Amino acid sequence: QKEVEQDPGPLSVPEGAIVSLNCTYSNSAFQYFMWYRQYSRKGPELLMYTYSSGNKEDGRFTAQVDKSSKYISLFIRDSQPSDSATYLCAMSGGGGTSYGKLTFGQGTILTVHP
Amino acid sequence: GAVVSQHPSRVICKSGTSVKIECRSLDFQATTMFWYRQFPKKSLMLMATSNEGSKATYEQGVEKDKFLINHASLTLSTLTVTSAHPEDSSFYICSARVRELTDTQYFGPGTRLTVL
Repeated sequence: QKEVEQDPGPLSVPEGAIVSLNCTYSNSAFQYFMWYRQYSRKGPELLMYTYSSGNKEDGRFTAQVDKSSKYISLFIRDSQPSDSATYLCAMSGGGGTSYGKLTFGQGTILTVHP
Repeated sequence: GAVVSQHPSRVICKSGTSVKIECRSLDFQATTMFWYRQFPKKSLMLMATSNEGSKATYEQGVEKDKFLINHASLTLSTLTVTSAHPEDSSFYICSARVRELTDTQYFGPGTRLTVL
């Protein structure tokens, strides 16, 4: 079992839809949770980061963390064709030799069609 | 803020040559930088952790003599792929850890290496 599980998709939605992306994890020591967006042939771009459990909103994006269920989500409201990309969840805070390292999910490929 | 640059963005070289990739933090100091490799339609694979002024820590299975990492200053880390072979062709991405922003990493735009 992988430490972080993320459905690779692909996910295709119409413009304006609400998109829900999620990851599950097994390491209860994770404390920092991030979502990155990666366009083809580009480096990942940080979208959201959350410490511990809770919700965080930034414009059309909302990140949720439920540490009790080891489950994190990213919601995109009013999705746009420009949101088409691969979305990667990432986590850190495992401690020990994992200090500072990020553990990534496999990435979900999202396409928003006009 | 938190901008990371990489140079070159794309490089094509002959088998047996060495290639150096630079990673710079432009508006902050990064005591720790990371080097990743990414295959098409795959997630990022951590190769090594680079700490300023000390030797890099390599992940299991990554040849340290083949992938030389130098982190000479708080804003620059370099990855040198020595005696490159076609199987080294990949997308290499660096990131810098911004401690003040709760352990997040900011990524460079990546370098696409093609070895002929």
